[in-house]
Amino acid sequence: NAGVTQTPKFQVLKTGQSMTLQCAQDMNHEYMSWYRQDPGMGLRLIHYSVGAGITDQGEVPNGYNVSRSTTEDFPLRLLSAAPSQTSVYFCASSSIAMNTEAFFGQGTRLTVV
Amino acid sequence: ILNVEQSPQSLHVQEGDSTNFTCSFPSSNFYALHWYRWETAKSPEALFVMTLNGDEKKKGRISATLNTKEGYSYLYIKGSQPEDSATYLCASISSGSARQLTFGSGTQLTVLP
Repeated sequence: NAGVTQTPKFQVLKTGQSMTLQCAQDMNHEYMSWYRQDPGMGLRLIHYSVGAGITDQGEVPNGYNVSRSTTEDFPLRLLSAAPSQTSVYFCASSSIAMNTEAFFGQGTRLTVV
Repeated sequence: ILNVEQSPQSLHVQEGDSTNFTCSFPSSNFYALHWYRWETAKSPEALFVMTLNGDEKKKGRISATLNTKEGYSYLYIKGSQPEDSATYLCASISSGSARQLTFGSGTQLTVLP
Protein backbone atom coordinates (compact mmCIF):
# COMPACT_ATOMS: atom_id res chain seq x y z
CA ASN A 1 0.00 0.00 0.00
CA ALA A 2 1.81 3.13 -1.26
CA GLY A 3 -0.27 5.70 0.69
CA VAL A 4 0.44 9.21 -0.59
CA THR A 5 3.02 9.51 -3.37
CA GLN A 6 4.38 12.98 -4.01
CA THR A 7 6.90 13.91 -6.70
CA PRO A 8 9.45 15.33 -7.22
CA LYS A 9 11.39 15.41 -3.92
CA PHE A 10 13.57 18.32 -5.00
CA GLN A 11 13.22 20.97 -7.68
CA VAL A 12 15.04 24.15 -8.64
CA LEU A 13 13.21 26.62 -10.86
CA LYS A 14 14.09 29.92 -12.39
CA THR A 15 11.77 32.86 -11.77
CA GLY A 16 8.92 32.75 -14.26
CA GLN A 17 9.14 29.03 -14.99
CA SER A 18 6.15 26.77 -14.47
CA MET A 19 5.93 23.31 -12.98
CA THR A 20 3.50 20.79 -11.57
CA LEU A 21 3.92 18.94 -8.28
CA GLN A 22 2.25 15.56 -8.49
CA CYS A 23 0.28 13.91 -5.69
CA ALA A 24 -1.48 10.56 -5.81
CA GLN A 25 -3.13 8.47 -3.10
CA ASP A 26 -4.39 4.91 -3.20
CA MET A 27 -6.56 4.94 -0.07
CA ASN A 28 -9.75 6.14 -1.77
CA HIS A 29 -9.71 9.28 0.36
CA GLU A 30 -12.18 12.02 -0.47
CA TYR A 31 -10.15 14.86 1.03
CA MET A 32 -6.82 15.99 -0.41
CA SER A 33 -4.83 19.11 0.33
CA TRP A 34 -1.59 20.96 -0.33
CA TYR A 35 0.46 22.74 2.33
CA ARG A 36 3.62 24.77 2.32
CA GLN A 37 6.04 24.86 5.22
CA ASP A 38 8.30 27.83 5.81
CA PRO A 39 10.85 28.33 8.63
CA GLY A 40 9.23 29.37 11.90
CA MET A 41 5.74 28.81 10.58
CA GLY A 42 3.32 25.93 10.71
CA LEU A 43 2.04 24.11 7.68
CA ARG A 44 -0.16 26.55 5.75
CA LEU A 45 -2.99 25.35 3.56
CA ILE A 46 -2.72 26.30 -0.11
CA HIS A 47 -5.67 24.50 -1.74
CA TYR A 48 -7.88 21.59 -0.85
CA SER A 49 -10.43 19.28 -2.42
CA VAL A 50 -13.33 17.39 -0.85
CA GLY A 51 -13.83 15.14 -3.86
CA ALA A 52 -13.31 14.73 -7.58
CA GLY A 53 -14.29 17.87 -9.47
CA ILE A 54 -14.33 20.05 -6.33
CA THR A 55 -11.49 22.34 -5.23
CA ASP A 56 -11.26 25.36 -2.97
CA GLN A 57 -8.73 27.86 -1.73
CA GLY A 58 -6.93 27.64 1.56
CA GLU A 59 -5.00 30.27 3.48
CA VAL A 60 -2.29 31.01 0.88
CA PRO A 61 -3.65 30.19 -2.62
CA ASN A 62 -2.11 33.01 -4.68
CA GLY A 63 0.25 31.79 -7.40
CA TYR A 64 -1.02 28.21 -7.31
CA ASN A 65 -3.64 26.26 -9.23
CA VAL A 66 -5.06 22.82 -8.56
CA SER A 67 -7.44 20.38 -10.19
CA ARG A 68 -9.06 17.14 -9.08
CA SER A 69 -10.14 15.14 -12.09
CA THR A 70 -9.96 11.81 -10.26
CA THR A 71 -10.22 10.73 -6.62
CA GLU A 72 -6.60 9.59 -6.67
CA ASP A 73 -4.75 12.59 -8.10
CA PHE A 74 -4.40 16.19 -6.92
CA PRO A 75 -1.64 18.07 -8.78
CA LEU A 76 -0.43 21.52 -7.74
CA ARG A 77 0.62 23.91 -10.50
CA LEU A 78 2.89 26.89 -10.26
CA LEU A 79 2.21 28.92 -13.39
CA SER A 80 5.00 31.50 -13.01
CA ALA A 81 7.35 30.71 -10.16
CA ALA A 82 8.52 33.48 -7.84
CA PRO A 83 11.27 33.43 -5.19
CA SER A 84 8.54 33.81 -2.54
CA GLN A 85 7.39 30.31 -3.49
CA THR A 86 10.64 28.78 -2.28
CA SER A 87 9.37 26.39 0.36
CA VAL A 88 8.76 22.78 1.29
CA TYR A 89 5.45 21.51 -0.06
CA PHE A 90 3.40 18.65 1.36
CA CYS A 91 0.42 16.89 -0.11
CA ALA A 92 -1.96 15.16 2.29
CA SER A 93 -5.04 12.99 2.03
CA SER A 94 -7.66 11.80 4.49
CA SER A 95 -11.17 10.59 4.88
CA ILE A 96 -13.69 13.44 4.85
CA ALA A 97 -14.55 12.62 8.47
CA MET A 98 -12.91 15.26 10.66
CA ASN A 99 -11.89 12.86 13.42
CA THR A 100 -9.56 10.85 11.19
CA GLU A 101 -5.87 11.39 10.64
CA ALA A 102 -4.25 12.90 7.58
CA PHE A 103 -1.59 11.04 5.63
CA PHE A 104 1.24 13.08 4.16
CA GLY A 105 3.45 12.67 1.12
CA GLN A 106 7.23 12.81 1.44
CA GLY A 107 7.44 16.52 0.62
CA THR A 108 8.95 18.57 -2.19
CA ARG A 109 11.73 21.02 -1.48
CA LEU A 110 11.34 23.75 -4.10
CA THR A 111 13.86 26.52 -4.67
CA VAL A 112 13.06 29.40 -7.01
CA VAL A 113 16.09 31.44 -8.08
CA ILE B 1 -8.46 31.59 10.25
CA LEU B 2 -7.85 29.94 13.60
CA ASN B 3 -4.80 30.80 15.66
CA VAL B 4 -3.09 27.69 16.94
CA GLU B 5 -0.15 28.33 19.23
CA GLN B 6 2.46 25.86 20.43
CA SER B 7 4.99 26.23 23.20
CA PRO B 8 7.83 26.00 23.66
CA GLN B 9 9.22 26.50 20.15
CA SER B 10 12.16 24.24 20.92
CA LEU B 11 13.28 22.06 23.77
CA HIS B 12 16.41 20.13 24.66
CA VAL B 13 16.14 17.37 27.24
CA GLN B 14 18.41 14.62 28.50
CA GLU B 15 17.72 10.99 27.69
CA GLY B 16 15.39 9.60 30.34
CA ASP B 17 13.76 12.93 31.18
CA SER B 18 10.02 13.33 30.87
CA THR B 19 8.71 16.37 29.06
CA ASN B 20 5.54 18.02 27.87
CA PHE B 21 4.42 20.59 25.30
CA THR B 22 1.37 22.79 25.00
CA CYS B 23 -0.99 23.46 22.11
CA SER B 24 -3.58 26.21 22.49
CA PHE B 25 -6.44 26.79 20.07
CA PRO B 26 -9.68 28.79 19.90
CA SER B 27 -12.33 26.89 21.83
CA SER B 28 -15.28 28.28 19.87
CA ASN B 29 -16.58 26.02 17.09
CA PHE B 30 -13.98 23.40 18.01
CA TYR B 31 -14.32 19.98 16.38
CA ALA B 32 -11.03 18.07 16.55
CA LEU B 33 -7.40 18.35 17.60
CA HIS B 34 -4.62 16.43 15.83
CA TRP B 35 -1.05 15.74 16.97
CA TYR B 36 1.63 14.82 14.43
CA ARG B 37 5.24 13.78 14.80
CA TRP B 38 7.59 15.08 12.13
CA GLU B 39 11.12 13.72 11.85
CA THR B 40 13.70 15.53 9.76
CA ALA B 41 13.62 14.52 6.08
CA LYS B 42 10.39 12.55 6.59
CA SER B 43 6.71 13.36 6.36
CA PRO B 44 4.51 14.17 9.36
CA GLU B 45 2.85 11.12 10.91
CA ALA B 46 -0.26 11.19 13.04
CA LEU B 47 0.02 10.49 16.76
CA PHE B 48 -3.47 11.29 18.03
CA VAL B 49 -6.82 12.68 16.95
CA MET B 50 -9.02 13.89 19.80
CA THR B 51 -12.47 15.38 19.79
CA LEU B 52 -14.03 15.19 23.27
CA ASN B 53 -13.32 17.41 26.25
CA GLY B 54 -11.29 15.40 28.73
CA ASP B 55 -10.01 12.97 26.09
CA GLU B 56 -6.77 11.25 27.04
CA LYS B 57 -4.88 9.13 24.51
CA LYS B 58 -1.71 7.10 24.86
CA LYS B 59 0.71 5.44 22.46
CA GLY B 60 3.64 3.83 24.20
CA ARG B 61 5.51 6.52 26.15
CA ILE B 62 3.59 9.36 24.51
CA SER B 63 0.23 10.59 25.74
CA ALA B 64 -2.02 13.58 25.15
CA THR B 65 -4.88 15.32 26.90
CA LEU B 66 -7.54 17.68 25.61
CA ASN B 67 -9.44 20.55 27.23
CA THR B 68 -11.90 21.97 24.70
CA LYS B 69 -13.52 24.43 27.10
CA GLU B 70 -10.31 26.36 27.75
CA GLY B 71 -8.75 25.51 24.39
CA TYR B 72 -5.56 23.60 25.12
CA SER B 73 -3.96 20.20 24.70
CA TYR B 74 -0.85 18.77 26.33
CA LEU B 75 1.49 16.21 24.81
CA TYR B 76 3.59 14.24 27.28
CA ILE B 77 6.63 12.08 26.61
CA LYS B 78 7.75 9.85 29.46
CA GLY B 79 11.38 8.79 29.64
CA SER B 80 12.52 10.57 26.46
CA GLN B 81 14.79 8.67 24.09
CA PRO B 82 17.02 10.06 21.30
CA GLU B 83 14.61 8.58 18.73
CA ASP B 84 11.90 10.88 20.10
CA SER B 85 13.80 13.83 18.64
CA ALA B 86 11.41 15.42 16.14
CA THR B 87 9.09 18.35 15.63
CA TYR B 88 5.68 17.83 17.20
CA LEU B 89 2.83 19.58 15.42
CA CYS B 90 -0.69 20.15 16.60
CA ALA B 91 -3.56 21.14 14.33
CA SER B 92 -7.12 22.15 15.05
CA ILE B 93 -10.28 21.67 12.99
CA SER B 94 -13.30 23.84 13.57
CA SER B 95 -16.83 22.73 12.82
CA GLY B 96 -18.04 23.93 9.45
CA SER B 97 -14.50 24.31 8.14
CA ALA B 98 -14.69 21.59 5.47
CA ARG B 99 -12.06 19.60 7.37
CA GLN B 100 -9.36 22.29 7.18
CA LEU B 101 -6.46 21.64 9.52
CA THR B 102 -4.91 24.77 11.02
CA PHE B 103 -1.42 23.96 12.25
CA GLY B 104 0.68 25.46 14.99
CA SER B 105 4.34 26.17 14.25
CA GLY B 106 5.46 23.11 16.17
CA THR B 107 7.71 22.23 19.10
CA GLN B 108 11.14 20.97 18.09
CA LEU B 109 12.37 18.39 20.61
CA THR B 110 15.98 17.28 20.85
CA VAL B 111 16.78 14.43 23.21
CA LEU B 112 20.45 14.36 24.15
CA PRO B 113 22.05 10.96 24.85
